[in-house]
Amino acid sequence: AAGVIQSPRHLIKEKRETATLKCYPIPRHDTVYWYQQGPGQDPQFLISFYEKMQSDKGSIPDRFSAQQFSDYHSELNMSSLELGDSALYFCASDSSRLGRKGYTFGSGTRLTVV
Amino acid sequence: QKEVEQDPGPLSVPEGAIVSLNCTYSNSAFQYFMWYRQYSRKGPELLMYTYSSGNKEDGRFTAQVDKSSKYISLFIRDSQPSDSATYLCAVDTGNQFYFGTGTSLTVIP
Repeated sequence: AAGVIQSPRHLIKEKRETATLKCYPIPRHDTVYWYQQGPGQDPQFLISFYEKMQSDKGSIPDRFSAQQFSDYHSELNMSSLELGDSALYFCASDSSRLGRKGYTFGSGTRLTVV
Repeated sequence: QKEVEQDPGPLSVPEGAIVSLNCTYSNSAFQYFMWYRQYSRKGPELLMYTYSSGNKEDGRFTAQVDKSSKYISLFIRDSQPSDSATYLCAVDTGNQFYFGTGTSLTVIP
């Protein structure tokens, strides 16, 4: 079965650079969530989208922005990167029409800021 | 106070043991409860999803919810070395999930 696809798997950036992370949800899933997981930390909610509109916002820095496109994939744009942005970034998806049965997560993008 | 509290462990058990993992949550309005398993450097994988109080069983895994005490548990029977992972509890607010910090479990052959 198709899963949530994230790209790239690994990314190394320098301070003050920009990064773009991509997420492709499971087919027919209309909702995408972004989480940031620091070393030894639980996933922290950043932002979510439902039907291409932002549905909820968590602890996402102003330097970050995200959007969901017409094909339901989502991109997380990160600017002025800081060392503290180094983390695993997970995308998850689910479907409002199929009932809430828990997210399906992607394998994540490991961002390292040097 | 965090929405979900979870003992981080680590927890180490011999193969075949029964494992008990626990979380407490703060808001009695939470209605949906999940357990995720996360292997190192991988995304969390949904194990169990429960809505009501009581027990839900799936193979060797049993999820238990006690809404009166705001307590959720995951039991693993006949634990296997492949169960070694971090287990995260989560609550669903309707808009987002709140996760516990995860309990690291090692099953020793």
